[in-house]
Amino acid sequence: EAGVTQSPTHLIKTRGQQATLRCSPISGHTSVYWYQQALGLGLQFLLWYDEGEERNRGNFPPRFSGRQFPNYSSELNVNALELEDSALYLCASSKYSRGPGYTFGSGTRLTVV
Amino acid sequence: GENVEQHPSTLSVQEGDSAVIKCTYSDSASNYFPWYKQELGKGPQLIIDIRSNVGEKKDQRIAVTLNKTAKHFSLHITETQPEDSAVYFCAAIRETGANNLFFGTGTRLTVIP
Repeated sequence: EAGVTQSPTHLIKTRGQQATLRCSPISGHTSVYWYQQALGLGLQFLLWYDEGEERNRGNFPPRFSGRQFPNYSSELNVNALELEDSALYLCASSKYSRGPGYTFGSGTRLTVV
Repeated sequence: GENVEQHPSTLSVQEGDSAVIKCTYSDSASNYFPWYKQELGKGPQLIIDIRSNVGEKKDQRIAVTLNKTAKHFSLHITETQPEDSAVYFCAAIRETGANNLFFGTGTRLTVIP
């Protein structure tokens, strides 16, 4: 069984640009979660999608947005990039919408210069 | 929402010794408590979990204990090995309703050979 896949693995952008990160969940998983992990810090919850709808949102500005496609894959968009957006962005998926059973991908390392 | 505190932030032990990581949570309705291990360059992986109807759970060298009254839970690793070196995260969630996992701030465990 393929795990959660994220692309790209690394992304370098210039301040002010937009970044798009992609996530493919495990087959059969309908919920996708996005977390930001800044260097040396913990996992900050960004967004949760289930069955194509945004179910919950963390304490991040509106320039962080995303969507979930009919095949349950998801993308995270970050507009107007700032230097402090540099972080590892982790995607997780679960079979049930109530959270337990998270499986994480290996993340996308976003560097804003 | 839930607030999970984790201590210590760093922990060094000699190979063969035990390691204990402690977490507290704020939402008394939280009823599922997973622990994740994150190795360098990888996403977090679930290593053990416990539900609130159980006080202790063990899986080989890893055990988790839960004190619902005090709202804290702990990860115990016995006979530590160098491959146990990683960052460990605790998390909590209320399984009923639409909720996502709330993570602790992480503990960097170093096992010294």
